Amino acid sequence: KQEVTQIPAALSVPEGENLVLNCSFTDSAIYNLQWFRQDPGKGLTSLLLIQSSQREQTSGRLNASLDKSSGRSTLYIAASQPGDSATYLCAVTFMEYGNKLVFGAGTILRVKS
Amino acid sequence: EPEVTQTPSHQVTQMGQEVILRCVPISNHLYFYWYRQILGQKVEFLVSFYNNEISEKSEIFDDQFSVERPDGSNFTLKIRSTKLEDSAMYFCASTPIAGLSSTDTQYFGPGTRLTVL
Repeated sequence: KQEVTQIPAALSVPEGENLVLNCSFTDSAIYNLQWFRQDPGKGLTSLLLIQSSQREQTSGRLNASLDKSSGRSTLYIAASQPGDSATYLCAVTFMEYGNKLVFGAGTILRVKS
Repeated sequence: EPEVTQTPSHQVTQMGQEVILRCVPISNHLYFYWYRQILGQKVEFLVSFYNNEISEKSEIFDDQFSVERPDGSNFTLKIRSTKLEDSAMYFCASTPIAGLSSTDTQYFGPGTRLTVL
């Protein structure tokens, strides 16, 4: 069964710190990987999509990398702000499973002011 | 910016009752999904839908569940006889292009919180 794992489960950092969230997946045969943000009780906001042929994607203070061969992705957040506090979800589209996303459990991020 | 919308935002129902959750995908999108998230657990895939038929479904999506696109804009999830364990947040998502290349971002709606008493 294909799985997605995220570490750490929770992270608390002071404002201004750069941080890295980790995602690993069990099979390198993927179509793409998406990072989402989820605020408490709310929906999923897509942050970045990395195609299987790409190594990284950037949006503002966010940078996501993909190492397909090792089954890993990282989400780098620069100069963190209290407004970045949320749960960050990694989701993978495995070739074996077609179009559906397989989600990790998420990393709960708290940025302290 | 176009977005996926879902109604209602919160639905409370009695066990055994039927519920219909509604979604309006982004207008030029062709591929639609339902996912659910039980409180404290991972987001799980339920079903995908393309060209007026189910494309894939998970083990969760048993005979109690059905999906429909009754008109050109709405996409619905029906649970025929709700159980306590159906309590969850249900998310609708859509992508512009169908097919197994799956190169597109899935855009998610804000979710419907279903509470079964």
